[in-house]
Amino acid sequence: NAGVTQTPKFRILKIGQSMTLQCAQDMNHNYMYWYRQDPGMGLKLIYYSVGAGITDKGEVPNGYNVSRSTTEDFPLRLELAAPSQTSVYFCASSYSQNTEAFFGQGTRLTVV
Amino acid sequence: EDQVTQSPEALRLQEGESSSLNCSYTVSGLRGLFWYRQDPGKGPEFLFTLYSAGEEKEKERLKATLTKKESFLHITAPKPEDSATYLCAVQATGGGETSGSRLTFGEGTQLTVNP
Repeated sequence: NAGVTQTPKFRILKIGQSMTLQCAQDMNHNYMYWYRQDPGMGLKLIYYSVGAGITDKGEVPNGYNVSRSTTEDFPLRLELAAPSQTSVYFCASSYSQNTEAFFGQGTRLTVV
Repeated sequence: EDQVTQSPEALRLQEGESSSLNCSYTVSGLRGLFWYRQDPGKGPEFLFTLYSAGEEKEKERLKATLTKKESFLHITAPKPEDSATYLCAVQATGGGETSGSRLTFGEGTQLTVNP
C-alpha cells in the first residue's frame, strides 16, 4: 500500500493563477481531509469529505474548492491564487471519524 | 470554539534526559485526543489516541497520558532520533457524523535531542 499520495511536491504559482493539488489514497478510507500548515503554526482544516459525493467546509475554506467523485481521490482546487495561500498543504484520510488520520507527504506551494 | 495549546514551543534535551511535553485543551466534549510526530519536510505520523481521562498509552520511549484538561507526552531517556515536532490534536463530540471527523491541532513542540 502506498498510503496517501500527494502531487506535486512543490509548486510556484503566480498571483491569479489556478491549480489543482492531487490526493489519492489506497486504503479504502471513507474520510479524507485537506489541511494547510503555515510556519510555526498548527494544521488548519480547509475541507473534508465523509464519502464520495459528500464534502464540507473546514476552518479556512475561502479561496479553495474540492470534489470527491471517487473514494480514492480528493483533489483541492485553488482559484485565483493569492500570496496568503503560500503554505504547505497536507491531505489525510481515516477509516472512520474516530480513528487516526494518515497523512501524505505534503505539497509546498509558493504564490508570488 | 475548540482550542489546543502546546508547551513549550521548543525543547532541547541531552540524550538520556527525560522530560514531558504538555497539551492543554478546551473542547465542548472530547471524542479523542491525538498525538502525532512530524519530521522536517514530512507529513504528521500518528502516535497515540486517548479517549478518556486517566487513560495512558506507551510506545517505546513515549508515554501519553490524559486528564480532563490536558495531556502529557512523557519521553523517557530520549535518543537523537526522537528529535521532531510533536503535534497534539483534539476531536470534539457533537455536530453529527459529518462534523465529528474534524481535528483541531496545536502549534506543536519542536524537540531536539543532542547526543
